[in-house]
Amino acid sequence: EAELLESGGGLGQPGGSLTLSCAASGFAFSNLGMSWVRQAPGKGLEWVSAVSFSGQTTHYADSVKGRFRISRDNSKNIMSLQLNGLRVEDTAIYYCATIMDYSGTDIRLESWGQGTLVVVSS
Amino acid sequence: SSELTQAPDVSVTLGQTVRITCQGDSLRNLYASWYQHKPGQAPVLVFSGKVRRATGIPHRFSASSSGGVASLIIRDVQAEDEAVFYCLTRDFGGDRLVVFGGGTRLTV
Repeated sequence: EAELLESGGGLGQPGGSLTLSCAASGFAFSNLGMSWVRQAPGKGLEWVSAVSFSGQTTHYADSVKGRFRISRDNSKNIMSLQLNGLRVEDTAIYYCATIMDYSGTDIRLESWGQGTLVVVSS
Repeated sequence: SSELTQAPDVSVTLGQTVRITCQGDSLRNLYASWYQHKPGQAPVLVFSGKVRRATGIPHRFSASSSGGVASLIIRDVQAEDEAVFYCLTRDFGGDRLVVFGGGTRLTV
């Protein structure tokens, strides 16, 4: 059974940086694309970023493009999200999830972690 | 790029049937998947796009898709079904990988 554990959340200053990590176990991590999804207080789910199984292809939401950087280390079964240029509106619970059918028509987020809270405030 | 539209709120009486819809032009060619999100918990995949019920999801849940509208149908609604339900699909023609609908809050 896939298990995902996020860490690295906390209080960040506007304009500052944080790095989130997602530790994976229970599945062949290097075979699956991975994604970050966030939920701001009182808002719906927002897809943030994704990385292919190899790490060679990445995608970003317009709201974070140029500020966030996704990466993965398949030797350690860890995916990371570097959050730079933090804004108050980045305050959210950040979830990591596995991606099935990354390149197909049946793309879906199959397994999810419990999330890590990021609060951006001065 | 793809955009998905969901009604913000739906109410249903215990034991009745409810249909939650997700509308988008891209759904004429792409599949939608469905997620249940309860407060304080991680979202859970309920149905994959090819109308496959996810592991552990009761058979009361079913899904369909036609003419750009994907539907999640819950029969014999139980109190524990109360949650926000989201649809998701690939962002066809856009820079994003996927896009969520706005979510539908189901009140039992």
